[in-house]
Amino acid sequence: NAGVTQTPKFQVLKTGQSMTLQCAQDMNHEYMSWYRQDPGMGLRLIHYSVGAGITDQGEVPNGYNVSRSTTEDFPLRLLSAAPSQTSVYFCASRKTSGYYEQYFGPGTRLTVT
Amino acid sequence: AQSVAQPEDQVNVAEGNPLTVKCTYSVSGNPYLFWYVQYPNRGLQFLLKYITGDNLVKGSYGFEAEFNKSQTSFHLKKPSALVSDSALYFCARHGQNFVFGPGTRLSVLP
Repeated sequence: NAGVTQTPKFQVLKTGQSMTLQCAQDMNHEYMSWYRQDPGMGLRLIHYSVGAGITDQGEVPNGYNVSRSTTEDFPLRLLSAAPSQTSVYFCASRKTSGYYEQYFGPGTRLTVT
Repeated sequence: AQSVAQPEDQVNVAEGNPLTVKCTYSVSGNPYLFWYVQYPNRGLQFLLKYITGDNLVKGSYGFEAEFNKSQTSFHLKKPSALVSDSALYFCARHGQNFVFGPGTRLSVLP
């Protein structure tokens, strides 16, 4: 199993540009989520999904969109990039039944200039 | 709201000495608590979890954690630290979504 994969690893955007961060998992996990990690702030939840066709907002959803058309994929879209969105982005997945740990992807480091 | 605190930004310990990384949680419902580790330029990796049962939980890489309900704590411990344990450690609480603490950077000095 590849686990959770994310592309790209690094990205530089100009203010106002849009892009999609890709996330895929091959563990048949129902739950998938996106976090951003900023120094001293831990991980903050952006959006999450409990299954195909179901998404919901997390703690910091503004400026981001998600969709979940398949169990495997959960892309994160930046609509109009802003310098405040400079961060490291992590995708994670887990089973929904029971108290299971999350599996994290390797992250995408995004810089918005 | 459920929350998790890690009172120390940084912990320094000499190699071979015992280490403790602290975590406390808010008293709200049943606490399902997790520890994750993040090595440089990597995603988070699961170490161990407490759901119910024995208050002492053993996990990966020789780490263990003790759940203390009266002190609302879930401290991560290791009897003998290694330089390779140097990393960022996160305590997290399982609810509908995970809530993460701010992280503690552990430095093990040779």
